[in-house]
Amino acid sequence: GAVVSQHPSRVICKSGTSVKIECRSLDFQATTMFWYRQFPKQSLMLMATSNEGSKATYEQGVEKDKFLINHASLTLSTLTVTSAHPEDSSFYICSARKGAGTDTQYFGPGTRLTVL
Amino acid sequence: GENVEQHPSTLSVQEGDSAVIKCTYSDSASNYFPWYKQELGKRPQLIIDIRSNVGEKKDQRIAVTLNKTAKHFSLHITETQPEDSAVYFCPSTGGGNKLTFGTGTQLKVEL
Repeated sequence: GAVVSQHPSRVICKSGTSVKIECRSLDFQATTMFWYRQFPKQSLMLMATSNEGSKATYEQGVEKDKFLINHASLTLSTLTVTSAHPEDSSFYICSARKGAGTDTQYFGPGTRLTVL
Repeated sequence: GENVEQHPSTLSVQEGDSAVIKCTYSDSASNYFPWYKQELGKRPQLIIDIRSNVGEKKDQRIAVTLNKTAKHFSLHITETQPEDSAVYFCPSTGGGNKLTFGTGTQLKVEL
């Protein structure tokens, strides 16, 4: 199988606080994970590519100091939204790829972030 | 980078009819073509994919066809059911195996 989990599934926080979202590949090792953001009724927007043991690669327009990504192991990547503001409220979804020679990405169930 | 155009943006069919969604790509070097289905509030799910060395692939009611000459690939859903209602994406697979999602196709299967 290829199961990807995310935690938490839903989080509500106050403006100015930081929120950490975890993405785990449960039954495979993922050398590469991806983080997406999806606003209501819009498509998924790739934020960054997370490679195990190295720095993440951010897409144009995504602030790396605001969205901190850590991929410390082959099964875990974390996204920390720092100093969150209401405009950061969104659906954050991660995906994982099984190996360098594999194209297929498997998605986590997503995390609904609401910043008050 | 790779550019993929998807049509139509919305599609409404009667239950039991077939639905076809088409994507056109620009990079002739593209070799992997996935289709994802996303229901409201849920994760995108890979429903079928095809590689450039294959012209057609079928999985029960779902099939994907690839025309490399014309640079387009299509998703075919036969005998549609209400649970097929969702947004379908054919993301482009650019450098670094990134998936770039377009606006997708909103499929509605009516009873």
